[in-house]
Amino acid sequence: AQKVTQAQTEISVVEKEDVTLDCVYETRDTTYYLFWYKQPPSGELVFLIRRNSFDEQNEISGRYSWNFQKSTSSFNFTITASQVVDSAVYFCALSEAWNSGGSNYKLTFGKGTLLTVNP
Amino acid sequence: DGGITQSPKYLFRKEGQNVTLSCEQNLNHDAMYWYRQDPGQGLRLIYYSQIVNDFQKGDIAEGYSVSREKKESFPLTVTSAQKNPTAFYLCASSIGVSLTDTQYFGPGTRLTVL
Repeated sequence: AQKVTQAQTEISVVEKEDVTLDCVYETRDTTYYLFWYKQPPSGELVFLIRRNSFDEQNEISGRYSWNFQKSTSSFNFTITASQVVDSAVYFCALSEAWNSGGSNYKLTFGKGTLLTVNP
Repeated sequence: DGGITQSPKYLFRKEGQNVTLSCEQNLNHDAMYWYRQDPGQGLRLIYYSQIVNDFQKGDIAEGYSVSREKKESFPLTVTSAQKNPTAFYLCASSIGVSLTDTQYFGPGTRLTVL
């Protein structure tokens, strides 16, 4: 069974601080994808990034960066110079097959980390 | 603009009544999904549909039913058999159900059963 753990339930920072959201996953598959989504107070999940298990290169998009380390099964998300608009719940998710050898895939989500950025 | 719409945003029902949540997408996606979110919890998959006239149970399908008569629409019925229906319900869609397909989400419906 697959599992996604986001150990930080809530994080509170002051604007302009850097913050890292942790994500640790478990899977038996050698091929899988990892995702991060943002859920602002409005409720809709917004897709942020997708990363496959063979690509361990770090990714940067503006103030966002992601660090994927297969050796520690982690896919951490860092926001640099945080802003109030970054306040949201952030979910990490893992995609893998429903059944061994299957071709249908599902997402398993972590429980999310509530990030509050204070002015 | 392409996207996923869910209606209504807030829904109140009396205990014992069935209720249907709407989900429509104009992204031309084949696959659609329904998730349930409880406070402080991640998303749990209720049902998914790979293609029109086909759907599969997810991890928590008991007390729910779906239909997929049109590609654009995937309504979810919360039946009276669902023991704890109060939750936030999210609909999603993706091009397909392969490993690389990203799911995109609608704005959600918050159901409260009184």
